[in-house]
Order: sequence, then structure tokens, then C-alpha cells
Amino acid sequence: QKEVEQNSGPLSVPEGAIASLNCTYSDRGSQSFFWYRQYSGKSPELIMSIYSNGDKEDGRFTAQLNKASQYVSLLIRDSQPSDSATYLCAFSGSARQLTFGSGTQLTVLP
Amino acid sequence: GAVVSQHPSRVICKSGTSVKIECRSLDFQATTMFWYRQFPKQSLMLMATSNEGSKATYEQGVEKDKFLINHASLTLSTLTVTSAHPEDSSFYICSARPFAGTNNEQFFGPGTRLTVL
Repeated sequence: QKEVEQNSGPLSVPEGAIASLNCTYSDRGSQSFFWYRQYSGKSPELIMSIYSNGDKEDGRFTAQLNKASQYVSLLIRDSQPSDSATYLCAFSGSARQLTFGSGTQLTVLP
Repeated sequence: GAVVSQHPSRVICKSGTSVKIECRSLDFQATTMFWYRQFPKQSLMLMATSNEGSKATYEQGVEKDKFLINHASLTLSTLTVTSAHPEDSSFYICSARPFAGTNNEQFFGPGTRLTVL
């Protein structure tokens, strides 16, 4: 079983819609969870971090964490073409390293 | 804040030469920096963890004698790809974890695209 399972997509949504990205992880000792955005040819950019169960909102982004289900998600409201990128979920446990998912490629259609 | 720079951004070299990549945290101190490699359409692969003042910790399968890491100060880590070969062509990305940071956030440099001819 992979440490991080992420729906690989590709995912296409129309402009203005909600994009939903999901990730499950196997390490119950995971403490910190992150969503990174990576544009083609660029390095990852941290867009959200979440550490406790529930929702965390930042502008059009909402991260959701459910430790009991070992599930983390990212919702992007009012999706824009500029949101088109690959989204990587990552988690950190006791080793303090980041383990990345394989990424979900999102395309927002104008 | 939390800006990480990387130099060079792109390098093309001949097979057998060595290439040095620098990673700097510009506005924070980082006791730990990480080096990743990313091949096209694949996710990030951690190569090694670089700790200031001590030897780097390499991931399984990464040759420490080929990928030399030096973390000389709290703001600078270097990766040297020795005797580079075409299969070493990849996107190399460093990240830094703030010394005073909590919750293990890492901030990434812009990456170095290495092409070995």
C-alpha cells in the first residue's frame, strides 16, 4: 500500500465551479498536512497547511482533514483558469520529512 | 517571507563533468534543507536531508558519493552532481524548513533543470 494515495486525475472543471481534490494516507502518526501547487516547469508552492481535524479556509481554498479516516482534501471555489496546475498533497510525521502524493492535474476550462 | 533561492536555474553540461547547485534561504535560517529530484510527469522524490554542520542523510538508492551535499551555514546548502551522465538529467529542487518554524512546513526553491549531454 502506498503511503499517500491521491486521485491522479486529470481533473477538468469549468470556470467558476468547485474543484475537489482528495488524498488518503496510511501513516496514523502523521501530524502535519500540506497542499502544494505546481505549475508546469516550476517548483511546488505551499498553498495550504492543516494540522487538526476539520476545515481550514483561506480565500477560495478550503482544506479538510479527517484523521480518523486518514483523509485530507482541498476544495477550490470559483475556480479560475489560473488555478490550472498539478496539486500535490503531502504529510509529515515523526521523521519531519514530507511524503508527497503523485499529484492531481487540474484544468479549469474558460 | 520564507523565500528560498536556487542557482543556477538551468545548466547544460557534458557527460563526465560535475555540476554544483546552490540553495539559499534568503530571509530565514534553516537548520534543515532537503534535496529532491523530479522527472517529467512524476512526483517529487526526496534524495537527501541536509543538516547544518553534519553529514547529509541520503534516501535509499541515492549514491552519496555521486550526489555530494554540503550544508555549510544556516542559509546555504549545495548539491554537487559528480561525473554527471545523461540519466542524471532532471529537475532538482531544494527546500528549506525554517529554524523557528513549527509543523514542518517546507518552502521550495525555484528548481534547477539539469541537462547532461
